Amino acid sequence: AQSVTQLGSHVSVSEGALVLLRCNYSSSVPPYLFWYVQYPNQGLQLLLKYTTGATLVKGINGFEAEFKKSETSFHLTKPSAHMSDAAEYFCAVTGNAGGTSYGKLTFGQGTILTVHP
Amino acid sequence: DTEVTQTPKHLVMGMTNKKSLKCEQHMGHRAMYWYKQKAKKPPELMFVYSYEKLSINESVPSRFSPECPNSSLLNLHLHALQPEDSALYLCASSQTTGETEAFFGQGTRLTVV
Repeated sequence: AQSVTQLGSHVSVSEGALVLLRCNYSSSVPPYLFWYVQYPNQGLQLLLKYTTGATLVKGINGFEAEFKKSETSFHLTKPSAHMSDAAEYFCAVTGNAGGTSYGKLTFGQGTILTVHP
Repeated sequence: DTEVTQTPKHLVMGMTNKKSLKCEQHMGHRAMYWYKQKAKKPPELMFVYSYEKLSINESVPSRFSPECPNSSLLNLHLHALQPEDSALYLCASSQTTGETEAFFGQGTRLTVV
């Protein structure tokens, strides 16, 4: 079984401040990990993903995340928050080929990011 | 074209109605998905189609009936729904299942009255 835990349902930062959204995963096989963003009443957009290879992954809009196997974490960061970053962010996991969770994207509970001017 | 198009955007239906949600993609993706998202909750997987065959059904009630007529289209047929089925229904597609990224549509906001 696989699961994702996002620490903090709400995060508030000032414009220009560091954004840190936390995600820890549980998976019986090496996972594939994703961060998605959702704006109100819209679908989800992929920010970045980790499958194999380099553990520091860069995504769109200046976001990046680091896969840390020893900590089972995949935290999302951005050095300087912008007002347009205000949205809900979901961490997600899927299992790799051969596992029962292959093709099943499991989402965390989401973190709402608020950016203050 | 990296779009997944869902119609309608909003749907209100009675508990005795039959309606369908439609999803279309022209990216050549061979995996398509239906998710259900309740307010203030994450999306929950309902169905996965891989190469036009149903590969995953997450124990969804039979009042939801998926259909994949071809590799570009995915339908979700609705019948005898309950008010608790009101939610945002999201369609997604990916090249194949697994590690490739999923592209999501804007969703259909369904209200059952």
